[in-house]
Amino acid sequence: DVKVTQSSRYLVKRTGEKVFLECVQDMDHENMFWYRQDPGLGLRLIYFSYDVKMKEKGDIPEGYSVSREKKERFSLILESASTNQTSMYLCASTGWSNQPQHFGDGTRLSIL
Amino acid sequence: QQQVKQSPQSLIVQKGGISIINCAYENTAFDYFPWYQQFPGKGPALLIAIRPDVSEKKEGRFTISFNKSAKQFSLHIMDSQPGDSATYFCACMNTNAGKSTFGDGTTLTVKP
Repeated sequence: DVKVTQSSRYLVKRTGEKVFLECVQDMDHENMFWYRQDPGLGLRLIYFSYDVKMKEKGDIPEGYSVSREKKERFSLILESASTNQTSMYLCASTGWSNQPQHFGDGTRLSIL
Repeated sequence: QQQVKQSPQSLIVQKGGISIINCAYENTAFDYFPWYQQFPGKGPALLIAIRPDVSEKKEGRFTISFNKSAKQFSLHIMDSQPGDSATYFCACMNTNAGKSTFGDGTTLTVKP
């Protein structure tokens, strides 16, 4: 079974801090994704990556950046955290673009 | 512009009843349609998926009905059980672009 592991289940940070969310997958998948999930808004794509050192903006990239230095690891970075970035963040991966995504269990991030 | 519209937002069904969740999309480039199930504290997990060359797919108590001309598809849960209580997301994938667009989710409650 594919395992997507997000390093933190819960995280509390302060406004203006630089925040790192880490995601690791163990199936040698090419494609990795970061979403945020908010009630009533579904899953919104922040960034995705289809190869090491490659990244593409999703639908809501403002205020975020990403890093993919190794194939198995995809990091989401909040450059200067703001309260409107309080949310559930989900990481996902897939081996091929025509396959469904495998999700981690999420990081619930609170920005105070 | 909401590319994927999911309804209803919430659904309450008696045990043994049929649960029906609908999705409509606009982009004809979508070519793969998965449904995900999410329990509290967990990430979404693939439930069942369909490609547009078939009109129906059944796996156990779960069935997807697909209407390509209407650009609509639906999830039917037969003999609904309390253990089916979860949030369900439809998704539309453009496999050439490697991205998915998700519906806003439906919270299903199955009463014993």
